[in-house]
Amino acid sequence: GAVVSQHPSWVICKSGTSVKIECRSLDFQATTMFWYRQFPKQSLMLMATSNEGSKATYEQGVEKDKFLINHASLTLSTLTVTSAHPEDSSFYICSASNSGQGPYEQYFGPGTRLTVT
Amino acid sequence: AQSVTQLGSHVSVSEGALVLLRCNYSSSVPPYLFWYVQYPNQGLQLLLKYTSAATLVKGINGFEAEFKKSETSFHLTKPSAHMSDAAEYFCAVSDRGNTPLVFGKGTRLSVIA
Repeated sequence: GAVVSQHPSWVICKSGTSVKIECRSLDFQATTMFWYRQFPKQSLMLMATSNEGSKATYEQGVEKDKFLINHASLTLSTLTVTSAHPEDSSFYICSASNSGQGPYEQYFGPGTRLTVT
Repeated sequence: AQSVTQLGSHVSVSEGALVLLRCNYSSSVPPYLFWYVQYPNQGLQLLLKYTSAATLVKGINGFEAEFKKSETSFHLTKPSAHMSDAAEYFCAVSDRGNTPLVFGKGTRLSVIA
């Protein structure tokens, strides 16, 4: 149980285009989802926290107009990178939490590798 | 505010030797503590977690960690390293609310044949 999927697993796009990444909780309802970014050989950096039906809370320094997060249902959150540029190339990882079943734990997706050319 | 410090960005051990990855935390409330493993180009896999039950926590793949409040530590150990253990390991802390995990910078484990 507690499986989180991400789609696509990798994507290459041209500079200036937008890319949407999906994060799904397959066998539980995710009241909260988190989006992380990971640069090569570095730790995970939290980008934003999203609760179902609410606006996402962005971490300091993360452009909310560039990284659009939508958490429309208890099983799906999406991250859209708008007007992507090469510096947005990174590994994006989502995680999901069902705080209704303690103790609190996050379940991670397999990640999406974004390359902007 | 919570924080995690992982001592040693890279640890190298011989196959069959003891693995010890260090993690110290800072938290104003009793924490939840986690160890995750990440293989190249993959997401994070939970190895084990401490949630205020037994202080010695056993996880998958033969790993275990001991919560020591007096030392604010949660070091990860494995008695005998295997080649397949080579990966990046992250220690993380959270409080008891539904808040994001705070990760350490990670320790890359290399296993030498």
